[in-house]
Amino acid sequence: KAGVTQTPRYLIKTRGQQVTLSCSPISGHRSVSWYQQTPGQGLQFLFEYFSETQRNKGNFPGRFSGRQFSNSRSEMNVSTLELGDSALYLCASSRTNVGETQYFGPGTRLLVL
Amino acid sequence: DAKTTQPPSMDCAEGRAANLPCNHSTISGNEYVYWYRQIHSQGPQYIIHGLKNNETNEMASLIITEDRKSSTLILPHATLRDTAVYYCIVRPSGGSQGNLIFGKGTKLSVKP
Repeated sequence: KAGVTQTPRYLIKTRGQQVTLSCSPISGHRSVSWYQQTPGQGLQFLFEYFSETQRNKGNFPGRFSGRQFSNSRSEMNVSTLELGDSALYLCASSRTNVGETQYFGPGTRLLVL
Repeated sequence: DAKTTQPPSMDCAEGRAANLPCNHSTISGNEYVYWYRQIHSQGPQYIIHGLKNNETNEMASLIITEDRKSSTLILPHATLRDTAVYYCIVRPSGGSQGNLIFGKGTKLSVKP
């Protein structure tokens, strides 16, 4: 069974731009969670989607948003990029509920200049 | 905040067992102990999880103390490719809550 895939793997943007990252969960998984990893803050939870609805949200500003499609694929968007948004963005999927074992994708490395 | 305490770093000789400890003294009755590892700049990899019984899979063994306040992840024959940051996480299993809260983990260095 194929794992979680994320596109693109690497991205360079400039301050003020916006970016959209994509995540395809493991086949049959319906819950998708997003995490941000930075050297200073470590791995932090952004939000979780299930059946096209956001169920949980971490402590991030409204510039960070996401959505989930009917095929469980998910996208996250960051608007008005700041230098501090440079990070590894990770997507994880689980079968039905976020409380089940989550499996991570390889991540998207975002660099904001 | 993470509910676990782990040593920041450990060394292990290649071919020997790596024993990674984790303290979780405030764990609740419905919370599981999960272990993930992250090899440099890759996505975290699920290793194993357990509630109160010891668990074993093809990657590792998980030993949980009887009072559930601590656990040990055992990699029976460490290789250089096991060099990674290992995260111990406690969380409820099932339900709509339970996003993973990562601490700083233990950086395991396997040396030849």
